[in-house]
Amino acid sequence: NAGVTQTPKFQVLKTGQSMTLQCAQDMNHNSMYWYRQDPGMGLRLIYYSASEGTTDKGEVPNGYNVSRLNKREFSLRLESAAPSQTSVYFCASSLTGKGRSGNTIYFGEGSWLTVV
Amino acid sequence: DAKTTQPTSMDCAEGRAANLPCNHSTISGNEYVYWYRQIHSQGPQYIIHGLKNNETNEMASLIITEDRKSSTLILPHATLRDTAVYYCIVRFLSSNTGKLIFGQGTTLQVKP
Repeated sequence: NAGVTQTPKFQVLKTGQSMTLQCAQDMNHNSMYWYRQDPGMGLRLIYYSASEGTTDKGEVPNGYNVSRLNKREFSLRLESAAPSQTSVYFCASSLTGKGRSGNTIYFGEGSWLTVV
Repeated sequence: DAKTTQPTSMDCAEGRAANLPCNHSTISGNEYVYWYRQIHSQGPQYIIHGLKNNETNEMASLIITEDRKSSTLILPHATLRDTAVYYCIVRFLSSNTGKLIFGQGTTLQVKP
């Protein structure tokens, strides 16, 4: 039981390049999320998916796209990377609305992205 | 989701109990209190959550006041590995938006 797994852990991009961050969870959770955390700041929600086949914008969606490929996987794509997207990206998941232990959000270990 | 207020930093001696307070005076009746911690830029780690009763698990205890306007996270025997930023978050159990207002959290420094 690996929980939430993100790849890659580290990536350096040049401005204008594109890339996809991959995320998978093995907890049979229905909801998945992508956050970014800038130095000294709290986490900000980029996109979320409440169920397979649905996605919604969070606080800071500009410059990103997402795909909920199936129940397990939720990817984040940067179409044309910019230096302002240099950050640590966290994928997370939760079992929304399923009993009193539900809705706890579990996080991956993070992906460090630098755009030069 | 209601906002929370926490002290910026706290120290605790190794082996002693660490008591981390949180104010959430605007909490609504259906909002839960969640605690997370983040160790040196790792992914936030879930600790515990509760509605109105005190809760205990293998990591910590959560004490919620009767009026639910504040709570305290208790790490019963703090170790050096408990040094981290601790976040108190208020959230609806049925919320599926994923929006977590982490705030600045409390930096707990456990000292030998």
